[in-house]
Amino acid sequence: GESVGLHLPTLSVQEGDNSIINCAYSNSASDYFIWYKQESGKGPQFIIDIRSNMDKRQGQRVTVLLNKTVKHLSLQIAATQPGDSAVYFCAEKRGSGNTPLVFGKGTRLSVIA
Amino acid sequence: KAGVTQTPRYLIKTRGQQVTLSCSPISGHRSVSWYQQTPGQGLQFLFEYFSETQRNKGNFPGRFSGRQFSNSRSEMNVSTLELGDSALYLCASSPRREGTEAFFGQGTRLTVV
Repeated sequence: GESVGLHLPTLSVQEGDNSIINCAYSNSASDYFIWYKQESGKGPQFIIDIRSNMDKRQGQRVTVLLNKTVKHLSLQIAATQPGDSAVYFCAEKRGSGNTPLVFGKGTRLSVIA
Repeated sequence: KAGVTQTPRYLIKTRGQQVTLSCSPISGHRSVSWYQQTPGQGLQFLFEYFSETQRNKGNFPGRFSGRQFSNSRSEMNVSTLELGDSALYLCASSPRREGTEAFFGQGTRLTVV
């Protein structure tokens, strides 16, 4: 069925290393994807988004890669810091126009100092 | 620019009561969406408003309702509260008509006892 999911529920990374968080989607009609970071007790924080006409988009220390062939999305965090510890969600928007964001279950990133 | 503001931050209600949650979007944002977040179900879409019109509704019972005012502020109401309604209720606003680039508030933690 249609779903937005994450390959790994938890990820532990050494401080200073790069982190890669993965997300799979099954609906080829999805044309917009977004990553959020959620720290304990807070609402999701916008990190970066990408549209389906792009393969890669870079932000500050973050890169999102979109592979439409295998319906895969990843978030790369460079030089991971303790402040990056949080739950990361990917979300997709199916079709164009007035459709809601559909969220994956989330991956918990733990940064080891 | 102020972010999305949700009030109250915490709420404790008794089964059978009703509750109203408020969301003030980022200035200039006309699209407002509501989500319910629970440990078991993750982020589930409730409804989305644009210019006072509900454009989408998630798969929730009729006890869940909402509205948007002319100043884009939104409220959601849950009547006849059940224990299972305990959750973090999140509001997101977007500057785009299609609801992309959504920014979340801190949420309202509702506990039903």
